[in-house]
Amino acid sequence: SYDLTQPPSVSVSPGQTASITCSGDNLGSKYVWWYQLKPGQSPVLVIYQDSKRPSGIPERLSGSNSGNTATLTISGTQAMDEADYYCQALDSSTVVFGGGTKLTVL
Amino acid sequence: QVQLVESGGGVVQPGRSLRLSCVVSGFTFNNYPMHWVRQAPGKGLQWVVTISYDGTNTNYADSVKGRFTISRDNSKNTLDLQMSSLRVEDTAVYYCARDAFTGRILGWYFDLWGRGTLVTVSS
Repeated sequence: SYDLTQPPSVSVSPGQTASITCSGDNLGSKYVWWYQLKPGQSPVLVIYQDSKRPSGIPERLSGSNSGNTATLTISGTQAMDEADYYCQALDSSTVVFGGGTKLTVL
Repeated sequence: QVQLVESGGGVVQPGRSLRLSCVVSGFTFNNYPMHWVRQAPGKGLQWVVTISYDGTNTNYADSVKGRFTISRDNSKNTLDLQMSSLRVEDTAVYYCARDAFTGRILGWYFDLWGRGTLVTVSS
């Protein structure tokens, strides 16, 4: 089975840049999607097809994917960005999620 | 208002069955493939099953194959998940999610989610 690996946690100070990585074998050859989960709320798609932002997602969120690693970058991090973030890819018609990263804004 | 609302969760004993439903509104339901995704307590997201826009094709995760059945009623804008032979490890919040593509082509990612319904399998 295909595995995606994320760091369990990332901490960032307000206004700084946070980077959340997602690693998988030859991940750069696949599309990667990113979701934001906050307690009690519906998950939100924040990045699709590696680097595209859905309507309504702030420009400070960006994505990239190359080699074995995809990265979600949040510039000028705000308190409202504190959440769990999950990467997702597709392998042989099977959806695969990373283990999730808890972003803490200190 | 575009929304997906899940229901049917609860506490059930191992080996028993439970049926979840998802009612959608605000978009043309019969255009979209749909999915169920779950999250066990303290764990990450796990894709469960996908159904095509017209209900003719389904795709299950190995962990639920043969035990769970997805269906949809496009006349009622509802998506169902019949869960049988439930196990403790099926305990999770179950989310109904819309595929980002329409028609026969699946995007295999989710642009709209419900708030989820909690299923607890415990004796």
